Amino acid sequence: SQKIEQNSEALNIQEGKTATLTCNYTNYSPAYLQWYRQDPGRGPVFLLLIRENEKEKRKERLKVTFDTTLKQSLFHITASQPADSATYLCALAGGYNKLIFGAGTRLAVHP
Amino acid sequence: EAGVVQSPRYKIIEKKQPVAFWCNPISGHNTLYWYRQNLGQGPELLIRYENEEAVDDSQLPKDRFSAERLKGVDSTLKIQPAELGDSAVYLCASSAAGTSGNEQFFGPGTRLTVL
Repeated sequence: SQKIEQNSEALNIQEGKTATLTCNYTNYSPAYLQWYRQDPGRGPVFLLLIRENEKEKRKERLKVTFDTTLKQSLFHITASQPADSATYLCALAGGYNKLIFGAGTRLAVHP
Repeated sequence: EAGVVQSPRYKIIEKKQPVAFWCNPISGHNTLYWYRQNLGQGPELLIRYENEEAVDDSQLPKDRFSAERLKGVDSTLKIQPAELGDSAVYLCASSAAGTSGNEQFFGPGTRLTVL
């Protein structure tokens, strides 16, 4: 069956370090993958999209990689700040304009 | 520019009662989505509209859930009757027409508690 796995445990890191979040999937061949940020009590906010023919995408302190052979995406936040603390959701294309979301990984950046 | 608007933000009802959620998408966005998010999980698509047409409702429990998007703008999601297991956050999102993969803009959600 189709499955998306994100680190279920919270990721705790020190301010200034690089946070790396993992999204693994099985039995999918997504045309693209998106990452969203969700704060408590709010809806998800789009961060980055990466297509199957792209290996890497960057936006300011964010970097996403997409390895269709390993069926894995890595999401990096460099020079992390306490304001980066949130839940990060990975979402795969499950069809035209259809997203399948992972359960998310909670990131806590400590001063 | 206003974002996706949802109301109410919170709703507490007794089981077997009906409940309705309302969503107004970003102006000009043709595609509207309703998701359900259980605690500790990611959003799960219930239904997707392209303009006023429901093009993907395969995950909508049709025995008790219904939705409409009259005139292709705002939308209402209804549950009748509600069950305890329906307690969740109901999220509405919208996206612009165009190539697949357009980012989705989410509203703040309605937190439903069924007692």
